[in-house]
Amino acid sequence: GAVVSQHPSRVICKSGTSVKIECRSLDFQATTMFWYRQFPKQSLMLMATSNEGSKATYEQGVEKDKFLINHASLTLSTLTVTSAHPEDSSFYICSARVAGAFGNQPQHFGDGTRLSIL
Amino acid sequence: SQKIEQNSEALNIQEGKTATLTCNYTNYSPAYLQWYRQDPGRGPVFLLLIRENEKEKRKERLKVTFDTTLKQSLFHITASQPADSATYLCALDGMDSSYKLIFGSGTRLLVRP
Repeated sequence: GAVVSQHPSRVICKSGTSVKIECRSLDFQATTMFWYRQFPKQSLMLMATSNEGSKATYEQGVEKDKFLINHASLTLSTLTVTSAHPEDSSFYICSARVAGAFGNQPQHFGDGTRLSIL
Repeated sequence: SQKIEQNSEALNIQEGKTATLTCNYTNYSPAYLQWYRQDPGRGPVFLLLIRENEKEKRKERLKVTFDTTLKQSLFHITASQPADSATYLCALDGMDSSYKLIFGSGTRLLVRP
C-alpha cells in the first residue's frame, strides 16, 4: 500500500518551455504532499509543501512564480516549472503523507522526474 | 542554523558483515528521526522511524538507535547482502506543524559479494 506515482519520469525540452509534473497517491488520500529537488550526489532539498485546497508553502529561496504548485484533490498535486532554463535541470521528487494520520508518519515518495533543459 | 551530517564517503563492506551508518545533527531537537533508502534514479523508500523517547528500533536485519544527548542516530544492517547496496538517508522533522522532513545528504553503502 501507500503507492505514489509520479509522471513523467523523464523530460527533455527546450529552454523557455513550461513543464508540468504530476504526483498521484494511488491507494490513499493525501492532504499534504511535498516537492523536492535533488542534484547529483546531494541531498533532497525541500522546495514546497503542497496542501489540498490551499496555497502551497514555499521554502526560502524558492520562487513561487517559477515553480507553480496546484493540489486540487486529495490524490493529485502538480508542479509546473514555468519558462524552464538549463539551470532548472534537476531531479524532482514528490512525496505524500497519508491524510488523517496523526503525529509522526513516514512520507511515501514517487520515483522522481528527471528534467533536462537544453 | 539546523545541520544534519552523514558521512559523504561511501561505506564499502564485505557481504555478511554489519554495516553501521551515522547521522549527526546540530542546533536541533527533533521529535523523531527517519531512515530511508534510495537507489539510483529512484525516489527514497521509508525504512524506519524512531521517536525521541525511544532508544532503539528494530525491523528484521535493520536496527536504529537515537541518542538525543549525543545528537546522533546510528543505522545498522546486520548480515549485509549485495542487495543492500544503496544510498541511505536520515531525515528529521522540521520542528513545525507542517510535517516536513529535513534530509541529510546520505551515505552510499556498497556491499561486496
